[in-house]
Parts: sequence; structure tokens; C-alpha cells
Amino acid sequence: QKEVEQDPGPLSVPEGAIVSLNCTYSNSAFQYFMWYRQYSRKGPELLMYTYSSGNKEDGRFTAQVDKSSKYISLFIRDSQPSDSATYLCAMSALGGQNFVFGPGTRLSVLP
Amino acid sequence: EAGVVQSPRYKIIEKKQPVAFWCNPISGHNTLYWYLQNLGQGPELLIRYENEEAVDDSQLPKDRFSAERLKGVDSTLKIQPAELGDSAVYLCASSLGRDRDVFFGQGTRLTVV
Repeated sequence: QKEVEQDPGPLSVPEGAIVSLNCTYSNSAFQYFMWYRQYSRKGPELLMYTYSSGNKEDGRFTAQVDKSSKYISLFIRDSQPSDSATYLCAMSALGGQNFVFGPGTRLSVLP
Repeated sequence: EAGVVQSPRYKIIEKKQPVAFWCNPISGHNTLYWYLQNLGQGPELLIRYENEEAVDDSQLPKDRFSAERLKGVDSTLKIQPAELGDSAVYLCASSLGRDRDVFFGQGTRLTVV
């Protein structure tokens, strides 16, 4: 079992839909959780950074962490074609910086 | 402000040849990372520097890979000799320090033929 699991997709949704992206993990020491967006042939771009459990909202993006279930989610409201990219979750233990990435979910938002 | 700059963007070499990648992190960022990303996978850490010191190189294949970060700024990652399985994207990233946002460069896409 990999340390961080993520459905690779592809996930196709119509423009304006609410998108739910998810990761599960096995290491209970993880405390820092991140979501990155990666466009084709580009480097990953940090979207959200959360610590421990709870929700964090930034514009159309909401990150949720449920440590009891070892499950994190990223919600995208009013999705746009420009949101089409691969979304990577990443996490690290408290005080550490060696982030472990999921394999990424490829999202296509169709106009 | 300029982001993390990597060069070259693309490199094609024959197996057994050497290759080097260069990274210039964001100004003031004392933590620098090299990651490897295979197609359809997330980045995997190769080495992390705190200033000039390599503080985590446990995943770096030291028989053929080497890295340096002179003066705690720019960094170079080298492969010698390259193997077919080294074909991947090599990403450089930097951050201000522990538990801070990590910013990635655009990567160097290596193809070994």
C-alpha cells in the first residue's frame, strides 16, 4: 500500500460543476496537508496549505482534512475550463519538510 | 519577483552520457529541493538542502547522481552515467524554511535514448 493514495482519474465535469478531489493516507504522523495544481509541462503550483484537521477556504477552493479517517479533500466551486489540470495532494509530518505526494488526479472541465 | 528558475527545460542524451541540471531558487529561500517526477506520478524527493548543507539525501542514488549547492544559492544536479530509466522530469523547488510554502520551478524534462 502506498503512503498516499489518490484516484488518478481522468475526471471530466461540465463548466460550473462542483468538483471533489480526494486523497487517503496511511501515516498518522502527517500534520501538514497541501494541494498543488500542475498544468501540462509546468511545475506544481501551491493552491492550499492546511495544518491538522478542519476546513480552509480560499475563493472557489475549499480544503478539508479529516485526520480520524486519514482523508483529505479539495472542493472547487463553479469550476472553469482553466481549472483543467492535474491536482496533487502532498503531506508531511509535524516539523518535517519531506512532503509525500500523491500520484495526482487529472481533471478536465468541459465548456 | 522571479520564481524558481531551472535550465535547460528539455534535454535529450544518449545512455551512458553525463547530464547536468541547474536551479536558481527564489531570492532569500534557504531551503532547496530536487524532486524527480515520472509520468503519471507525483514528485519524489531526491535531496533537500538547508543553505549549503544537504540535510536529506537518502533517496538520491549516489552511485550515479550527485548534487551541490555552492554558497547556499544556486544548485546543480548531475547524473553520470545516465540510464534509460532516468528519463523523467527533474523539478527544483525552494522555500523560506521548515514548514513554509514550497515553490516549484518548471522542471527539466530528460529523455535518455
